[in-house]
Amino acid sequence: AQSVTQLGSHVSVSEGALVLLRCNYSSSVPPYLFWYVQYPNQGLQLLLKYTTGATLVKGINGFEAEFKKSETSFHLTKPSAHMSDAAEYFCAVSSGGSNYKLTFGKGTLLTVNP
Amino acid sequence: KAGVTQTPRYLIKTRGQQVTLSCSPISGHRSVSWYQQTPGQGLQFLFEYFSETQRNKGNFPGRFSGRQFSNSRSEMNVSTLELGDSALYLCASSTDRGQETQYFGPGTRLLVL
Repeated sequence: AQSVTQLGSHVSVSEGALVLLRCNYSSSVPPYLFWYVQYPNQGLQLLLKYTTGATLVKGINGFEAEFKKSETSFHLTKPSAHMSDAAEYFCAVSSGGSNYKLTFGKGTLLTVNP
Repeated sequence: KAGVTQTPRYLIKTRGQQVTLSCSPISGHRSVSWYQQTPGQGLQFLFEYFSETQRNKGNFPGRFSGRQFSNSRSEMNVSTLELGDSALYLCASSTDRGQETQYFGPGTRLLVL
């Protein structure tokens, strides 16, 4: 079975500050990992994904995440927060093979203060 | 390319009724998945279809069903609606070349009164 834990249901940062959203996963096989963002009344938009290869993954809007197998983590970071980053962020895992589903964390609501 | 489209966007039903939601995937995508999003349970996988066949199913009662057509469009049906079925229902499509990215539609917000 696979699972995702997002530490912190709500994170608040100042504009221009570092954004760090934490994600830990559990998977019995090498995972595929994703970060999605959801703005109010919208669907999910892919920020970035890790499948294989380079463990530091760069995504859209200046976000990046690092896959750390030893820590079973896939934390999302952005050096400088912008007001437009305020949204809910979801980490998800897929175990590949015939398991055609994403298992999501509970989400982290990011607030950016001026 | 047009994105994933879902209709209707909003729906109000009463307990005991049934509802059908529709999803049109991105052109060329043959895999369609459905998820339920609620404040309490978060995002939960309902089922996934590929080439008109259900390949994977989440832990939901039999009142939740789906199907996929030959053009990859998909519908999900919920019979005998309960108050707890109020949720945002999201559809996602992918190419199914290995574990490719799932692209999500805007969702259908269902309110059961």
